[in-house]
Amino acid sequence: AQSVTQLGSHVSVSEGALVLLRCNYSSSVPPYLFWYVQYPNQGLQLLLKYTTGATLVKGINGFEAEFKKSETSFHLTKPSAHMSDAAEYFCALKPSEAGSYQLTFGKGTKLSVIP
Amino acid sequence: NAGVTQTPKFQVLKTGQSMTLQCAQDMNHNSMYWYRQDPGMGLRLIYYSASEGTTDKGEVPNGYNVSRLNKREFSLRLESAAPSQTSVYFCASSEAIRGVFYGYTFGSGTRLTVV
Repeated sequence: AQSVTQLGSHVSVSEGALVLLRCNYSSSVPPYLFWYVQYPNQGLQLLLKYTTGATLVKGINGFEAEFKKSETSFHLTKPSAHMSDAAEYFCALKPSEAGSYQLTFGKGTKLSVIP
Repeated sequence: NAGVTQTPKFQVLKTGQSMTLQCAQDMNHNSMYWYRQDPGMGLRLIYYSASEGTTDKGEVPNGYNVSRLNKREFSLRLESAAPSQTSVYFCASSEAIRGVFYGYTFGSGTRLTVV
């Protein structure tokens, strides 16, 4: 069984400040991990993903995340927040084993950016 | 543009009515999914189809049926709509080739209200 926990349903940062959105996971097999962003009234857009290889993953719009197996974490960061980053962010997990299809989502973190 | 297309984008149903949500992808992906999104709940898997000709229940299948019509199309049917099925529904597709997982692509969603 697997689960994803996002700490903080709502995070507020000032424009230009560091963005840190936290994601912890539980998985009985090595996971593939994803961050998605959802702007109001839109679908989900992939920010970045970790499958294998380098544990620091860079995505679109200046975001990056680091897979830390020892901490079972995959936190999302951006050095300097922009007003356009205001959205809801979802962390998600898929077991890496072949034949496993289900993507399990966290409950989401809504990011507000204060001018 | 290549991607996942969902129809309709909005729908209002009366309790007890039936309807089918349509989804088509043009990326030649083998696997397709239906999720529902509710505030504070993240996205939850309703049904998925690992490949053409197969379908399986996800986390919240009650009240729904699905049909994998062909490789491109995966429909979701509500036989007797209930207010608890008021939600935003997302279709997604994915592909893995020779052990390399290429991630999920989501449609733009169907906003369904049951009154």
